[in-house]
Amino acid sequence: AQSVSQHNHHVILSEAASLELGCNYSYGGTVNLFWYVQYPGQHLQLLLKYFSGDPLVKGIKGFEAEFIKSKFSFNLRKPSVQWSDTAEYFCAVNLLTYNQGGKLIFGQGTELSVKP
Amino acid sequence: ETGVTQTPRHLVMGMTNKKSLKCEQHLGHNAMYWYKQSAKKPLELMFVYNFKEQTENNSVPSRFSPECPNSSHLFLHLHTLQPEDSALYLCASSQEYAAGQEYFGPGTRLTVT
Repeated sequence: AQSVSQHNHHVILSEAASLELGCNYSYGGTVNLFWYVQYPGQHLQLLLKYFSGDPLVKGIKGFEAEFIKSKFSFNLRKPSVQWSDTAEYFCAVNLLTYNQGGKLIFGQGTELSVKP
Repeated sequence: ETGVTQTPRHLVMGMTNKKSLKCEQHLGHNAMYWYKQSAKKPLELMFVYNFKEQTENNSVPSRFSPECPNSSHLFLHLHTLQPEDSALYLCASSQEYAAGQEYFGPGTRLTVT
C-alpha cells in the first residue's frame, strides 16, 4: 500500500537554527506533493505544493521544499526558524492514477518546537 | 478565516448517544472530505463526496454515517461509538476531486465516554 513517511516525530530547535524535515513516499507513479502546517489551536493550512516544473518550490513564511524524484522525497527546509514556526507539519501526497482517485495520503506529522 | 467551518468544535458523548457533526464550506468547491486525526497517527481519510455523490468510503465502520445534501454542506452522523473513536474530526473541501489542494476546517474534538 502507498504510504508517506516523515522521519522525525518531534524536532526541537533554537531560534535562528536551520530546519529540514524529511518526507518520503512509496509510489512509483505521478504525484503531487504538499506540506501542510497546523499551528497550535488552528486549522491545517497549506504551506507549499509541487505539481510540476522546478523541483524547488517556495511557500509562505520562508519555507521551501525540494522534490527529488529518484529518492521519492520532498523535504521541507527553512534557513532560520522563528518561535512562531512552532507547529505540527504534515507531508501529503496526491496519487495521480485513475483507480487511486487522487486522494491525499498524509504522513504522521512532525511536531516542531522552537525555543526563543 | 478558513472558508470551511465546523460545528460543534467540541463534543462529549456517551456510547449510546446519537449526534451529528456539521461542516460548511463557503468556497464554492465541489468536493468535500471527512478525515479522522488521532494523536501520533497520519490523517485518515474517511469519506469523499464529489458533486454530492459519495466517491470514497475507506472501510469506515457503519456507526459513522455521512450525508451530503448539497456541495456546501457535509454531515457526519454518529451512533453507538466506541471510546477509540475519540479523535479530532476534520472536514475539508477542494475545488475539484483529486485536485490535491484541500482546505481544512478547524475540526471537531470528539470524546466518547
